[in-house]
Amino acid sequence: SAVISQKPSRDICQRGTSLTIQCQVDSQVTMMFWYRQQPGQSLTLIATANQGSEATYESGFVIDKFPISRPNLTFSTLTVSNMSPEDSSIYLCSVVPLSGHGYTFGSGTRLTVV
Amino acid sequence: GQQVMQIPQYQHVQEGEDFTTYCNSSTTLSNIQWYKQRPGGHPVFLIQLVKSGEVKKQKRLTFQFGEAKKNSSLHITATQTTDVGTYFCAGLYNFNKFYFGSGTKLNVKP
Repeated sequence: SAVISQKPSRDICQRGTSLTIQCQVDSQVTMMFWYRQQPGQSLTLIATANQGSEATYESGFVIDKFPISRPNLTFSTLTVSNMSPEDSSIYLCSVVPLSGHGYTFGSGTRLTVV
Repeated sequence: GQQVMQIPQYQHVQEGEDFTTYCNSSTTLSNIQWYKQRPGGHPVFLIQLVKSGEVKKQKRLTFQFGEAKKNSSLHITATQTTDVGTYFCAGLYNFNKFYFGSGTKLNVKP
């Protein structure tokens, strides 16, 4: 199955700043997704990262706040912009492996905004 | 948006007891997946169910998909301390996007 390297693993950021999270996959994948998991909560889909075109955002998430890039089939970034303490969460990228069975998740980025 | 309901939210069992978590959707699912997330870890894929009424087993874990493809369950027989974690179902509605249930946090007392 695909192996995902997600960076950074954690960060503490000042409010009003931005953080870019990177997700590198060791093989080409068709689908890449970004999720948010607030402490003790479930996973909420932020957006689908589309290769070569604009990401598809879920209700409640907008491009200005969470710009996403996906320049090729193995790499994507998520930026959390103009951060506030409410953005403190774990952010996870995930991919659908070639087998098509099950998402593979990155190890997550634990973000704390102070 | 789509919603998958999952119960219970928490379950505390004595080692050796059984455990079951349930997921329910108001609309028909294309398929459903189950994940386990250990404390401090990320979700790890366990299994996918596709067919109506499907039952799959992985050692002490039994997964079921309802006949109407609107509900699913995960049953663990004779829990062990290594089973501790949060179990999530994730329902597929369309376009390869899965919507996660709220999760059931399992604690196993030795």
